[in-house]
Amino acid sequence: EDQVTQSPEALRLQEGESSSLNCSYTVSGLRGLFWYRQDPGKGPEFLFTLYSAGEEKEKERLKATLTKKESFLHITAPKPEDSATYLCAVQGPMGRQLTFGSGTQLTVLP
Amino acid sequence: NAGVTQTPKFQVLKTGQSMTLQCAQDMNHNSMYWYRQDPGMGLRLIYYSASEGTTDKGEVPNGYNVSRLNKREFSLRLESAAPSQTSVYFCASSEAQREKLFFGSGTQLSVL
Repeated sequence: EDQVTQSPEALRLQEGESSSLNCSYTVSGLRGLFWYRQDPGKGPEFLFTLYSAGEEKEKERLKATLTKKESFLHITAPKPEDSATYLCAVQGPMGRQLTFGSGTQLTVLP
Repeated sequence: NAGVTQTPKFQVLKTGQSMTLQCAQDMNHNSMYWYRQDPGMGLRLIYYSASEGTTDKGEVPNGYNVSRLNKREFSLRLESAAPSQTSVYFCASSEAQREKLFFGSGTQLSVL
């Protein structure tokens, strides 16, 4: 059974204070690891897909990296508008459905 | 583009009542999904439709039924609502099963 654990559950940062969110996973044969952002009262919004260990992707202040056991979402010099819940999900070899983690709630204070 | 549209946004039911959640997408996507989101548990897949004319159970299908009405529309029905079905429900779509998901804005359902 695929499992995804995200840590920390909640993170408060000062504006400009860089940090990382962790996503640890167990899946037999990873097809893809996805990062989504979810704002309060809205549906998740796609950020990145990573397919193999060593892969990295960047978008503005966010960079996602992948190893064989975990993924990190690095946030560089965050701004208050980066406040959201960040969700990680994995897709196993059958590729039919995603297994989501419970998310990290990020708050960036001005 | 509207993307994925869900109705209603909020609903309160009494135990035993039935209702249908509606979902439509205008991106010509083949695959559609219904998820529920509960505090501390992450998103869990209820049912999905890989393509028009097909539906399959996800992780938590009990108490639900779905209909893929056409390529655009995918509805979720609760035949006899239970308090355990109190949750936020999200519809999503993707070009194909292994592609990124586009989510609707959700339906907050309370069953009393």
